[in-house]
Amino acid sequence: SYELTQPPSVSVSPGQTARITCFTDALPNQYAYWYQQKPGQAPVLLIYKDSERPSGIPERISGSRSGTTVTLTIRGVRAEDEADYYCQSADSSGTWVFGGGTKLTVL
Amino acid sequence: EVQLVESGGGSVQPGGSLRLSCAASGFTSRAYWMHWVRQAPGKGLVWVSRMNHDASITTFADSVKGRLTVSRDNAKNTVYLQMNSLRAEDTAVYYCAREASGTGNWYFDLWGRGTLVTVSS
Repeated sequence: SYELTQPPSVSVSPGQTARITCFTDALPNQYAYWYQQKPGQAPVLLIYKDSERPSGIPERISGSRSGTTVTLTIRGVRAEDEADYYCQSADSSGTWVFGGGTKLTVL
Repeated sequence: EVQLVESGGGSVQPGGSLRLSCAASGFTSRAYWMHWVRQAPGKGLVWVSRMNHDASITTFADSVKGRLTVSRDNAKNTVYLQMNSLRAEDTAVYYCAREASGTGNWYFDLWGRGTLVTVSS
């Protein structure tokens, strides 16, 4: 099995850009996916296959990859973006894994 | 409306058993791989299990292997998570989630609202 490593917390002021990273040695071989979870709610998919955005997700939210690190970028951060963010991946053996989650605080 | 609704959570003593259900509506669940994901209070998401269309292929996280099993009744559009030999560390909200269709789409495109399982004496 493998782990996905995220920073526990990220803080930004409104209007700034938040970047949340997710790292694992296994990532070069698998795509990464990103979810947003607000308190008391189920997660919502933000990004799939490293950088694809589902319909309904605003363009200010984007994903990128550099080697073994994927990054979720939120531009023009708003108070409503304050939430927990999780990266997720899976391998060909059928094992899925989440990162530990990053709490985004809007100052 | 396309949705997943979990039920069956509650309080159970250590060593006990519980069966969770996840009822799908608005779509045919037998067309999808289905998963269970859990989240301990104040903690992160943890993947638990995965099951294919007819439950002939199942995969579990190492932490639950041998204690949890999954099944499905496609006629009822429902999947199940049978939890045995429960431990305090199994206390969590359990989410049912649908795996996106399509080759290589290894992500969840639909989640239920979760059901809370509390293991305590």
